[in-house]
Amino acid sequence: EAQVTQNPRYLITVTGKKLTVTCSQNMNHEYMSWYRQDPGLGLRQIYYSMNVEVTDKGDVPEGYKVSRKEKRNFPLILESPSPNQTSLYFCASSRPGGTVNTGELFFGEGSRLTVL
Amino acid sequence: EDQVTQSPEALRLQEGESSSLNCSYTVSGLRGLFWYRQDPGKGPEFLFTLYSAGEEKEKERLKATLTKKESFLHITAPKPEDSATYLCAVLTSSYKLIFGSGTRLLVRP
Repeated sequence: EAQVTQNPRYLITVTGKKLTVTCSQNMNHEYMSWYRQDPGLGLRQIYYSMNVEVTDKGDVPEGYKVSRKEKRNFPLILESPSPNQTSLYFCASSRPGGTVNTGELFFGEGSRLTVL
Repeated sequence: EDQVTQSPEALRLQEGESSSLNCSYTVSGLRGLFWYRQDPGKGPEFLFTLYSAGEEKEKERLKATLTKKESFLHITAPKPEDSATYLCAVLTSSYKLIFGSGTRLLVRP
């Protein structure tokens, strides 16, 4: 089954404790992206990757890091989480066919993060 | 500034009561407009892509249309299972994807 898998789905942590949210897709997609979703603000892009070893900042990259060492994996790293990073996070990938298809995204189920 | 606005924020319909959701945009060039459905506790699910004004796409009870300034998602004779949040997103000329805040649709039996 084609899917984007995120882990953990739920996490409560404390300020400053490093954490990683993993994302893996089994569709051989080149493009992958991370979003956060907050009430009233919609989905905002954190980072994206056009291919292996190619990453770039989205609209809200502060406090986050990513890496793309393999095509299927795109982990999101919070080096020192703060309460304003409490949010619902989504990983997404896009089918091949060029950048015009980056709007047709497959999303993971989401990771709800609470930073105390 | 590029902006995507969806209205209404929430909509309650009776089963069978047709209506439309709106997505208006002000962006620097449009490469595509996308509609998604999001169920509670789930990630958004892709529905449609529209590329140019006048284009229409249909899927079951849903029909998406596009003009130069806005898109409509028409829902004909909705059923309770159509209840969800509907998101639109715009891909700009610089390949930036901007999402609206969504419309929460509730269809009562």
